[in-house]
Amino acid sequence: AQSVTQLDSHVSVSEGTPVLLRCNYSSSYSPSLFWYVQHPNKGLQLLLKYTSAATLVKGINGFEAEFKKSETSFHLTKPSAHMSDAAEYFCVVSLTSGGTSYGKLTFGQGTILTVHP
Amino acid sequence: DSGVTQTPKHLITATGQRVTLRCSPRSGDLSVYWYQQSLDQGLQFLIQYYNGEERAKGNILERFSAQQFPDLHSELNLSSLELGDSALYFCASSVALAGTGELFFGEGSRLTVL
Repeated sequence: AQSVTQLDSHVSVSEGTPVLLRCNYSSSYSPSLFWYVQHPNKGLQLLLKYTSAATLVKGINGFEAEFKKSETSFHLTKPSAHMSDAAEYFCVVSLTSGGTSYGKLTFGQGTILTVHP
Repeated sequence: DSGVTQTPKHLITATGQRVTLRCSPRSGDLSVYWYQQSLDQGLQFLIQYYNGEERAKGNILERFSAQQFPDLHSELNLSSLELGDSALYFCASSVALAGTGELFFGEGSRLTVL
């Protein structure tokens, strides 16, 4: 079985300060890991993905995440928050086989990021 | 814009009724997925179709069914609706059956059951 735990349901930062959204995963097999973002009244958009290549993954809008197998973590970071980053973020795990992933994604419960001026 | 179109965007109905949600995938995508997002359950995978065939099933109730048509659009049918079925239903698509894991999501259909 696979699962993800997002350690914070809400994170609040000031504009221009670093962002850290924490995610731990559990998977019996080699996982693929993703971060998706959901802006209000919008669908989900892929931020970045880890599929057993480099452990430090860079995504869109200045976000990056580091895969740490020893800690079973995949935390999302950004050096400087922008007002437009305010949204809900989902850590996602998918089973992997032979370098590809399957479409049955398991989502974390989400972290709502608030950015203050 | 992800290229995935879902209709209707909002739907209000009564308990016991039946509704159909429609999804048009991105041009060229053969896989369609349905997800349910609710406050208490979060985002839950319901079902996946690939090129017209069911390929994976998640936490989908027996009152719910789906299909993918030859033109690749998909419909999710929800029957004998209960209050607890109120949720945001997302459709997503991808090119392949098993790919890089990137899904393209529509903006969802918000179902309210009164």
